[in-house]
Amino acid sequence: AQSVTQPDIHITVSEGASLELRCNYSYGATPYLFWYVQSPGQGLQLLLKYFSGDTLVQGIKGFEAEFKRSQSSFNLRKPSVHWSDAAEYFCAVAPYNTDKLIFGTGTRLQVFP
Amino acid sequence: GAVVSQHPSWVICKSGTSVKIECRSLDFQATTMFWYRQFPKQSLMLMATSNEGSKATYEQGVEKDKFLINHASLTLSTLTVTSAHPEDSSFYICSARDSLVGSEQFFGPGTRLTVL
Repeated sequence: AQSVTQPDIHITVSEGASLELRCNYSYGATPYLFWYVQSPGQGLQLLLKYFSGDTLVQGIKGFEAEFKRSQSSFNLRKPSVHWSDAAEYFCAVAPYNTDKLIFGTGTRLQVFP
Repeated sequence: GAVVSQHPSWVICKSGTSVKIECRSLDFQATTMFWYRQFPKQSLMLMATSNEGSKATYEQGVEKDKFLINHASLTLSTLTVTSAHPEDSSFYICSARDSLVGSEQFFGPGTRLTVL
């Protein structure tokens, strides 16, 4: 069965520091891959997605993610975190050519000034 | 991006009553809408997929007679939790997409349901 693992439940970083949120998936083929951010009172917002092609994907708000097939990973990175980035981050996969998003358990990011 | 709204944003009801949650796509036509359930500190779990004018497709383990989904128009889907019990208390989130499989889903802000 497909699954998504986000090993870090909670991460705390200082403002201006770099960030990497980990995501590993289990699936027989390369799925569609997504990162979403959830802020209180707001719907999940898509940060970036990978379908095919260049394995380094640029997203909104200065985020990027790299797909590594050999590691079944799709880690999210940002070179310099801002206080407004504090939120819950979800990695998700969708099996090829389907709509069904399978979410990881999320990583809560806390940013200290 | 496109906007999806949910109403109400939170609701408290007595055990045994039914609760209806609305999901609306405000500026696009949603051919497909999805309903998710999120428990505290846990992931979103897909409950069902609904296509406009068709019966919803429920995920394994989701009781279709308890969670009634109606997608009568291209901008509105409703989820009715029938005979609610405390274990139904959760955060319910809808999403919508406009056309092609694989196109972006836009998420609503969620509805917090508390059953007393």
